[in-house]
Amino acid sequence: GENVEQHPSTLSVQEGDSAVIKCTYSDSASNYFPWYKQELGKGPQLIIDIRSNVGEKKDQRIAVTLNKTAKHFSLHITETQPEDSAVYFCAAPLSSARQLTFGSGTQLTVLP
Amino acid sequence: DTGVSQDPRHKITKRGQNVTFRCDPISEHNRLYWYRQTLGQGPEFLTYFQNEAQLEKSRLLSDRFSAERPKGSFSTLEIQRTEQGDSAMYLCASTSSGGNTEAFFGQGTRLTVV
Repeated sequence: GENVEQHPSTLSVQEGDSAVIKCTYSDSASNYFPWYKQELGKGPQLIIDIRSNVGEKKDQRIAVTLNKTAKHFSLHITETQPEDSAVYFCAAPLSSARQLTFGSGTQLTVLP
Repeated sequence: DTGVSQDPRHKITKRGQNVTFRCDPISEHNRLYWYRQTLGQGPEFLTYFQNEAQLEKSRLLSDRFSAERPKGSFSTLEIQRTEQGDSAMYLCASTSSGGNTEAFFGQGTRLTVV
């Protein structure tokens, strides 16, 4: 079936290092790819998104890259800080749906 | 209006009881979504409204679940005869219309069925 796969499931980095999280999707018609950050006990917070007409988007320390041919997109966080520690989810609309299908999440831990 | 609001934040109920949750979306957003999230998983789609019309329901939405958005503003999600397997975080999100646009989530309602 249509799905979004995310890896790794856990990621630990030293403060100041970069972190990369990758997702693949199954529906070649998908055209919108958001990333969410979720802290414990809170709802997901949209941190960056990209549409299929561009290959990369950057917002300060966060960037997202998209490879439509390979059907994968990645989140890049540079100069990580302890407050970046959270669960990150990728998502995409599949099968012409309005709703998002989410990946299974990546627990990022930034070690001081 | 600063975001999507959900009430209550936490609910503990006994198995077999009915519960109702409320979501107030961002005021200018006409699309409203309900998702369910269990521990260690991503949110899973339950149902979606455009204005007051419920346009899609997931197979996850059993007959015990019902959602309404009577005036196209706030929405309610009711679970009848709760079961322990219903324990989860119930998330509401809203978006504006016009293609795929940013979905903003509320803080969720954490349901525990004992």
